[in-house]
Amino acid sequence: NAGVTQTPKFRILKIGQSMTLQCTQDMNHNYMYWYRQDPGMGLKLIYYSVGAGITDKGEVPNGYNVSRSTTEDFPLRLELAAPSQTSVYFCASSYSTPRQGHNGELFFGEGSRLTVL
Amino acid sequence: ILNVEQSPQSLHVQEGDSTNFTCSFPSSNFYALHWYRWETAKSPEALFVMTLNGDEKKKGRISATLNTKEGYSYLYIKGSQPEDSATYLCASRGGSNYKLTFGKGTLLTVNP
Repeated sequence: NAGVTQTPKFRILKIGQSMTLQCTQDMNHNYMYWYRQDPGMGLKLIYYSVGAGITDKGEVPNGYNVSRSTTEDFPLRLELAAPSQTSVYFCASSYSTPRQGHNGELFFGEGSRLTVL
Repeated sequence: ILNVEQSPQSLHVQEGDSTNFTCSFPSSNFYALHWYRWETAKSPEALFVMTLNGDEKKKGRISATLNTKEGYSYLYIKGSQPEDSATYLCASRGGSNYKLTFGKGTLLTVNP
């Protein structure tokens, strides 16, 4: 299993540009999440999904959109990039209930560092 | 939104020292408490997931306890090694939602 794969790893955007961070997982997890990590602030939840076709807002959803058309993929879209969206973004996934020795822990991608200038 | 607090914010210890840090979380409607280890330039990796009051879990030199009635968990590292240097995150999930709320972490530095 590749686990959780995020692309791109690094990206520089100009203010007002749009882009999509891709996230895919091959563990058949039904829960998926997008977090952002800012210095001294910990991980903040942007959006999450409990299954294909279902998404919901987290703590800091403004300026972002998501979709979940398949179990595997959970892309995060920035429509009008702003300097406040400069951050490291982490996608994660988990089982919804304990199974196969796992107890709902999150599996994280390697992160995507986004800079908006 | 859950408020998950961790202390201390950072900690420097000498190799061989034992250490512990605290995670506090709302005790009402509790579902699960997670601990993650996050090394620099890597992604967080799960250490423990605990759900029952009084739970104790151990992985090598690292162990954790859980008190759901008073809303706290302790993470212990026995005989710290330089490779234990990392940020340790805790996260809490309430029973009525699917969201995992993270604390800001404790940055541990183990000096050789």
